[in-house]
Amino acid sequence: DAGVIQSPRHEVTEMGQEVTLRCKPISGHDYLFWYRQTMMRGLELLIYFNNNVPIDDSGMPEDRFSAKMPNASFSTLKIQPSEPRDSAVYFCASRPAKNYGYTFGSGTRLTVV
Amino acid sequence: AQSVTQPDIHITVSEGASLELRCNYSYGATPYLFWYVQSPGQGLQLLLKYFSGDTLVQGIKGFEAEFKRSQSSFNLRKPSVHWSDAAEYFCAVGSTGFQKLVFGTGTRLLVSP
Repeated sequence: DAGVIQSPRHEVTEMGQEVTLRCKPISGHDYLFWYRQTMMRGLELLIYFNNNVPIDDSGMPEDRFSAKMPNASFSTLKIQPSEPRDSAVYFCASRPAKNYGYTFGSGTRLTVV
Repeated sequence: AQSVTQPDIHITVSEGASLELRCNYSYGATPYLFWYVQSPGQGLQLLLKYFSGDTLVQGIKGFEAEFKRSQSSFNLRKPSVHWSDAAEYFCAVGSTGFQKLVFGTGTRLLVSP
């Protein structure tokens, strides 16, 4: 298995632009999670899905952030408009229903200038 | 709500020496506990997990951890550290019914020659 695949690995964008981060979970995993990692706040859970349905989005910082999972093999995290304080590493992770170990992707390093 | 405390931000250990990384959790019921390792520029990799049973769990790369309910702790240990163990280590707790993990702030391990 190729693991959890995230794209792009790095993204540099200007303030005000729309940014879309992508994630392909491991096939057969029922849960998908989006985390954000910063030096100041550590790892924060933004949102997670179960069987493509958003379950808890209480960690999404603002309305500028949105996430979708149109099918079992793809999810996006969108920031519109982006701001410099959104600069962070964004991780996607997935896990099966009955195995509690997450598998993380390699992350997307977002820099908003 | 569950929470995790990793009291040590940085730890430096000499190569070949033993290692113990501390983790304390807060959760009313029996927790699910995890240790993850993150190498620079990489995602998080699962080292080991505890759900129930034997309170001493073995993981990959020669790591082990011991669950102590009376101390609300789940400390990570390794008898002899290698230079390649230099990384950031995260403890995490999951709730009963377990859907999402809450991570500690991490401990950065430095290995000196």
